[in-house]
Amino acid sequence: AQSVTQPDIHITVSEGASLELRCNYSYGATPYLFWYVQSPGQGLQLLLKYFSGDTLVQGIKGFEAEFKRSQSSFNLRKPSVHWSDAAEYFCAVGAKTDSWGKLQFGAGTQVVVTP
Amino acid sequence: GAGVSQTPSNKVTEKGKYVELRCDPISGHTALYWYRQSLGQGPEFLIYFQGTGAADDSGLPNDRFFAVRPEGSVSTLKIQRTERGDSAVYLCASSLFAGQSYEQYFGPGTRLTVT
Repeated sequence: AQSVTQPDIHITVSEGASLELRCNYSYGATPYLFWYVQSPGQGLQLLLKYFSGDTLVQGIKGFEAEFKRSQSSFNLRKPSVHWSDAAEYFCAVGAKTDSWGKLQFGAGTQVVVTP
Repeated sequence: GAGVSQTPSNKVTEKGKYVELRCDPISGHTALYWYRQSLGQGPEFLIYFQGTGAADDSGLPNDRFFAVRPEGSVSTLKIQRTERGDSAVYLCASSLFAGQSYEQYFGPGTRLTVT
């Protein structure tokens, strides 16, 4: 069965420290991969996406993600976290066989930033 | 420009009642999606519209749920005989066209509470 797993439900990080959020997927073939962020009262916002090509993807707000086929992973990173990065982060996948854009989301990782 | 808007932002209803949730997509966007996000979970796909027609409604949990988009713009998600298990945040998203290449823009959601 197809699945998207975010192993960490909750992460606490100090402001200025690095952040890495994990995402693993199980799909028949390499899917399209996305990271979204959800801040309180805000809609989900796309941070970055991977379709093909360079496995290191740059996104908005200083985030990047690396696709590793051998590990079926698409981990999100940020070198130095700001207090405004406190939010919930969702990994999502889309099957290449879906022509219209159906997304399957992981359960999310809540990020807390401490001073 | 204006993003995706959803009304109401909060809806409390009694078990067994009928509710309607409205989504106003970004002007000109042809594709519209509904997702449901339960507490502690990621968004779960419900239904997708291309224009006026429901192109994929495979995510609707049962026949109490129905959605329309009569003029290819505004969409309404309708839930009959609400149950406590329907309590969740209902998210709407739109994209310029259907397909993984087109970013889905999400609204802030409607929080539905069934008492």
